[in-house]
Amino acid sequence: AQSVAQPEDQVNVAEGNPLTVKCTYSVSGNPYLFWYVQYPNRGLQFLLKYITGDNLVKGSYGFEAEFNKSQTSFHLKKPSALVSDSALYFCAVRAGLRGNTPLVFGKGTRLSVIA
Amino acid sequence: NAGVTQTPKFQVLKTGQSMTLQCAQDMNHEYMSWYRQDPGMGLRLIHYSVGAGITDQGEVPNGYNVSRSTTEDFPLRLLSAAPSQTSVYFCASSRRQGPNEQFFGPGTRLTVL
Repeated sequence: AQSVAQPEDQVNVAEGNPLTVKCTYSVSGNPYLFWYVQYPNRGLQFLLKYITGDNLVKGSYGFEAEFNKSQTSFHLKKPSALVSDSALYFCAVRAGLRGNTPLVFGKGTRLSVIA
Repeated sequence: NAGVTQTPKFQVLKTGQSMTLQCAQDMNHEYMSWYRQDPGMGLRLIHYSVGAGITDQGEVPNGYNVSRSTTEDFPLRLLSAAPSQTSVYFCASSRRQGPNEQFFGPGTRLTVL
Protein backbone atom coordinates (compact mmCIF):
# COMPACT_ATOMS: atom_id res chain seq x y z
CA ALA A 1 0.00 0.00 0.00
CA GLN A 2 1.08 3.54 -0.67
CA SER A 3 1.57 6.02 2.14
CA VAL A 4 3.00 9.46 2.79
CA ALA A 5 4.26 10.91 6.05
CA GLN A 6 4.70 14.59 6.76
CA PRO A 7 6.30 14.52 10.20
CA GLU A 8 5.75 18.19 11.05
CA ASP A 9 2.27 19.62 11.54
CA GLN A 10 3.69 23.15 11.62
CA VAL A 11 6.87 24.80 10.36
CA ASN A 12 7.77 28.34 11.36
CA VAL A 13 10.44 30.29 9.54
CA ALA A 14 11.53 33.91 9.40
CA GLU A 15 11.10 35.80 6.16
CA GLY A 16 14.25 35.61 4.06
CA ASN A 17 15.45 32.39 5.67
CA PRO A 18 15.51 29.06 3.81
CA LEU A 19 12.61 26.72 4.41
CA THR A 20 12.21 22.96 4.29
CA VAL A 21 8.98 20.97 4.52
CA LYS A 22 9.63 17.28 5.01
CA CYS A 23 7.98 14.32 3.30
CA THR A 24 8.71 10.61 3.31
CA TYR A 25 6.86 8.00 1.32
CA SER A 26 6.27 4.30 0.96
CA VAL A 27 5.30 2.72 -2.34
CA SER A 28 5.94 -0.45 -4.31
CA GLY A 29 8.27 0.22 -7.18
CA ASN A 30 9.17 3.64 -8.50
CA PRO A 31 7.14 6.58 -7.21
CA TYR A 32 5.55 9.58 -8.79
CA LEU A 33 5.78 12.35 -6.18
CA PHE A 34 3.92 15.63 -5.98
CA TRP A 35 3.72 18.75 -3.85
CA TYR A 36 0.58 20.86 -3.59
CA VAL A 37 -0.17 24.10 -1.75
CA GLN A 38 -3.48 25.22 -0.27
CA TYR A 39 -4.21 28.82 0.61
CA PRO A 40 -7.07 29.59 3.03
CA ASN A 41 -10.52 28.71 1.69
CA ARG A 42 -9.09 27.56 -1.63
CA GLY A 43 -8.55 24.31 -3.46
CA LEU A 44 -5.15 22.69 -3.83
CA GLN A 45 -2.68 24.07 -6.34
CA PHE A 46 0.04 21.98 -7.96
CA LEU A 47 3.61 23.08 -7.17
CA LEU A 48 5.92 20.45 -8.65
CA LYS A 49 6.40 16.77 -9.33
CA TYR A 50 9.07 14.13 -9.62
CA ILE A 51 8.73 11.45 -12.27
CA THR A 52 12.23 10.31 -13.09
CA GLY A 53 15.66 11.69 -13.85
CA ASP A 54 17.26 14.60 -12.00
CA ASN A 55 16.72 14.31 -8.25
CA LEU A 56 16.28 18.08 -7.87
CA VAL A 57 12.96 19.26 -9.22
CA LYS A 58 12.09 22.93 -9.67
CA GLY A 59 8.53 24.18 -9.52
CA SER A 60 6.32 27.22 -9.16
CA TYR A 61 7.00 30.29 -6.98
CA GLY A 62 10.69 29.44 -6.49
CA PHE A 63 10.06 26.12 -4.77
CA GLU A 64 12.13 23.03 -5.40
CA ALA A 65 12.18 19.51 -4.04
CA GLU A 66 14.86 16.90 -3.68
CA PHE A 67 14.12 13.24 -4.33
CA ASN A 68 16.20 10.84 -2.26
CA LYS A 69 15.52 7.21 -3.12
CA SER A 70 17.64 5.69 -0.38
CA GLN A 71 15.86 7.72 2.30
CA THR A 72 12.48 7.55 0.51
CA SER A 73 12.12 11.27 0.96
CA PHE A 74 10.92 14.19 -1.13
CA HIS A 75 11.49 17.34 0.90
CA LEU A 76 10.19 20.70 -0.32
CA LYS A 77 12.62 23.61 -0.16
CA LYS A 78 12.92 27.29 -0.92
CA PRO A 79 16.10 29.34 -0.52
CA SER A 80 14.38 32.48 0.80
CA ALA A 81 10.91 32.38 2.36
CA LEU A 82 8.26 35.02 1.78
CA VAL A 83 5.34 35.90 4.04
CA SER A 84 3.09 35.04 1.10
CA ASP A 85 4.39 31.45 1.23
CA SER A 86 2.38 30.92 4.41
CA ALA A 87 -0.07 28.15 3.57
CA LEU A 88 -0.82 24.45 3.98
CA TYR A 89 1.46 22.13 2.01
CA PHE A 90 0.65 18.58 0.97
CA CYS A 91 2.94 15.86 -0.30
CA ALA A 92 1.41 13.08 -2.41
CA VAL A 93 2.55 9.83 -4.01
CA ARG A 94 1.37 7.45 -6.68
CA ALA A 95 3.04 4.21 -7.70
CA GLY A 96 4.65 4.63 -11.08
CA LEU A 97 4.29 2.22 -13.99
CA ARG A 98 1.04 0.87 -12.61
CA GLY A 99 -2.39 1.45 -13.99
CA ASN A 100 -5.04 2.98 -11.88
CA THR A 101 -3.58 3.66 -8.47
CA PRO A 102 -5.01 6.79 -6.88
CA LEU A 103 -2.96 9.65 -5.49
CA VAL A 104 -2.32 9.32 -1.75
CA PHE A 105 -1.81 12.50 0.28
CA GLY A 106 0.00 13.23 3.50
CA LYS A 107 -1.77 15.02 6.32
CA GLY A 108 -0.29 18.37 5.44
CA THR A 109 2.20 20.78 6.99
CA ARG A 110 1.23 24.32 7.85
CA LEU A 111 3.99 26.76 6.95
CA SER A 112 4.08 30.08 8.73
CA VAL A 113 6.55 32.68 7.50
CA ILE A 114 7.07 35.46 10.00
CA ALA A 115 8.06 38.95 8.91
CA ASN B 1 -11.26 26.90 -19.66
CA ALA B 2 -13.19 26.97 -16.41
CA GLY B 3 -11.12 24.03 -15.10
CA VAL B 4 -12.81 22.05 -12.33
CA THR B 5 -16.03 23.55 -10.99
CA GLN B 6 -17.98 22.49 -7.92
CA THR B 7 -21.45 23.41 -6.72
CA PRO B 8 -22.64 24.40 -4.23
CA LYS B 9 -19.86 26.21 -2.34
CA PHE B 10 -21.64 25.88 0.99
CA GLN B 11 -24.39 23.58 2.18
CA VAL B 12 -26.11 22.88 5.48
CA LEU B 13 -28.07 19.65 5.84
CA LYS B 14 -30.04 18.01 8.58
CA THR B 15 -29.21 14.46 9.61
CA GLY B 16 -30.88 12.00 7.27
CA GLN B 17 -31.24 14.33 4.32
CA SER B 18 -29.73 13.44 0.97
CA MET B 19 -28.00 15.66 -1.54
CA THR B 20 -25.69 15.65 -4.53
CA LEU B 21 -22.44 17.57 -4.79
CA GLN B 22 -21.77 18.51 -8.37
CA CYS B 23 -18.39 18.41 -10.10
CA ALA B 24 -17.59 19.21 -13.70
CA GLN B 25 -14.41 19.66 -15.71
CA ASP B 26 -13.87 20.99 -19.21
CA MET B 27 -10.37 19.65 -19.82
CA ASN B 28 -11.42 16.27 -21.23
CA HIS B 29 -9.70 14.51 -18.35
CA GLU B 30 -10.25 10.79 -18.02
CA TYR B 31 -9.54 10.57 -14.32
CA MET B 32 -11.72 12.23 -11.67
CA SER B 33 -11.85 11.84 -7.92
CA TRP B 34 -13.53 13.04 -4.75
CA TYR B 35 -11.69 13.80 -1.53
CA ARG B 36 -12.78 15.00 1.85
CA GLN B 37 -10.58 17.24 3.97
CA ASP B 38 -10.83 17.19 7.74
CA PRO B 39 -8.54 18.97 10.22
CA GLY B 40 -5.46 16.90 10.98
CA MET B 41 -6.52 14.18 8.53
CA GLY B 42 -5.26 15.59 5.26
CA LEU B 43 -7.15 14.59 2.13
CA ARG B 44 -8.83 11.23 2.07
CA LEU B 45 -10.05 9.65 -1.13
CA ILE B 46 -13.77 8.82 -1.25
CA HIS B 47 -14.34 7.55 -4.80
CA TYR B 48 -12.60 7.86 -8.10
CA SER B 49 -13.21 7.18 -11.79
CA VAL B 50 -10.78 6.36 -14.58
CA GLY B 51 -13.32 7.05 -17.31
CA ALA B 52 -16.99 7.28 -18.17
CA GLY B 53 -18.87 4.29 -16.79
CA ILE B 54 -16.04 3.21 -14.46
CA THR B 55 -15.88 4.04 -10.77
CA ASP B 56 -14.09 2.60 -7.78
CA GLN B 57 -13.95 3.07 -4.03
CA GLY B 58 -11.28 4.97 -2.21
CA GLU B 59 -10.28 5.01 1.43
CA VAL B 60 -13.57 6.29 2.91
CA PRO B 61 -16.48 5.36 0.59
CA ASN B 62 -19.18 4.52 3.13
CA GLY B 63 -22.22 6.76 2.93
CA TYR B 64 -21.37 8.08 -0.54
CA ASN B 65 -22.30 7.07 -4.07
CA VAL B 66 -20.90 8.17 -7.40
CA SER B 67 -21.60 7.65 -11.06
CA ARG B 68 -19.79 8.74 -14.22
CA SER B 69 -22.13 8.89 -17.17
CA THR B 70 -20.06 11.47 -19.06
CA THR B 71 -16.39 12.42 -19.18
CA GLU B 72 -17.18 15.90 -17.88
CA ASP B 73 -19.31 15.21 -14.80
CA PHE B 74 -18.70 13.27 -11.61
CA PRO B 75 -21.41 13.90 -8.99
CA LEU B 76 -21.09 12.72 -5.39
CA ARG B 77 -24.27 11.65 -3.62
CA LEU B 78 -24.80 11.59 0.11
CA LEU B 79 -27.53 9.04 0.69
CA SER B 80 -28.47 9.87 4.29
CA ALA B 81 -26.33 12.63 5.74
CA ALA B 82 -24.69 12.16 9.13
CA PRO B 83 -22.79 14.67 11.31
CA SER B 84 -19.61 12.66 10.61
CA GLN B 85 -19.89 13.78 6.99
CA THR B 86 -19.36 17.41 7.97
CA SER B 87 -16.26 18.27 5.97
CA VAL B 88 -14.85 20.13 3.01
CA TYR B 89 -15.18 18.16 -0.21
CA PHE B 90 -12.84 18.53 -3.16
CA CYS B 91 -13.21 17.20 -6.65
CA ALA B 92 -10.13 16.73 -8.81
CA SER B 93 -9.35 15.66 -12.34
CA SER B 94 -6.33 14.74 -14.42
CA ARG B 95 -5.34 13.14 -17.65
CA ARG B 96 -4.83 9.40 -17.48
CA GLN B 97 -3.18 8.18 -14.34
CA GLY B 98 0.55 8.20 -13.89
CA PRO B 99 2.74 11.29 -13.76
CA ASN B 100 0.00 13.80 -14.51
CA GLU B 101 -0.87 16.25 -11.77
CA GLN B 102 -4.45 16.60 -10.57
CA PHE B 103 -6.41 19.83 -10.90
CA PHE B 104 -8.64 20.64 -7.95
CA GLY B 105 -11.95 22.41 -7.69
CA PRO B 106 -12.57 25.17 -5.12
CA GLY B 107 -14.35 22.85 -2.72
CA THR B 108 -17.76 22.48 -1.08
CA ARG B 109 -18.06 23.12 2.64
CA LEU B 110 -20.76 20.83 4.03
CA THR B 111 -22.24 20.99 7.51
CA VAL B 112 -24.58 18.27 8.75
CA LEU B 113 -26.58 19.18 11.83
